[in-house]
Amino acid sequence: EIVLTQSPGTLSLSPGERATLSCRTSQSISSSYIAWYQKKPGQAPTLLIYGASSRAIGIPDRFSGSGSGTDFTLTISRLEPEDFAVYYCQKYGNSITFGPGTTVDIK
Amino acid sequence: QVQLQESGPGLVKPSETLSLTCTVSGGSINSYFWSWIRQPAGEGLECIGRIYTSGSTNYNPSLKSRVTMSLDTSKNQFSLKLSSVTAADTAMYYCARASFMVGGVALDYWGQGILVTVSS
Repeated sequence: EIVLTQSPGTLSLSPGERATLSCRTSQSISSSYIAWYQKKPGQAPTLLIYGASSRAIGIPDRFSGSGSGTDFTLTISRLEPEDFAVYYCQKYGNSITFGPGTTVDIK
Repeated sequence: QVQLQESGPGLVKPSETLSLTCTVSGGSINSYFWSWIRQPAGEGLECIGRIYTSGSTNYNPSLKSRVTMSLDTSKNQFSLKLSSVTAADTAMYYCARASFMVGGVALDYWGQGILVTVSS
């Protein structure tokens, strides 16, 4: 079973700063199967990135994804106030598995 | 615009069966994978399983012995049954659609979630 690890657990930043979130998989995985979601309290998760680097419909271009093999990254170029949330990476395949999440909070 | 809506009891007694339904509107249930995901308070997201419109299923190994998913294409609905529940099954339950897009696959539409509490 492929395990997803996210780092850091918490990222404390100020609006306007750049956020770099990491997701590592225990085995190499096709980038087609990697997605990123934003989760805010009381709301359903929102799909940000699929296929490791493709932005979902309606997602601002300050969100970008990259990576291959076992290392994947979500970058938020300039944090807006509404971006402070928990971010999950996820892999699709024989099973759907989520990483433990990275909390981006206000410094 | 595709919309998903979970429905079912918000309170289930220990040892009983949790039953939820997800109604899909604004689009067809056909030719997609449909998933159930849950999130206990203060914890992360856990996929319970998924079902394709053919009826084929794939369950989380840790829950497999207690999970049954089904779908009704005539009603554009799919359902979850989780048996022998305990307090550990208390969580927000979400239904979601998996879409295969150019370049990748992901859960692109989600229901708003339903809180299920297991308590006597």
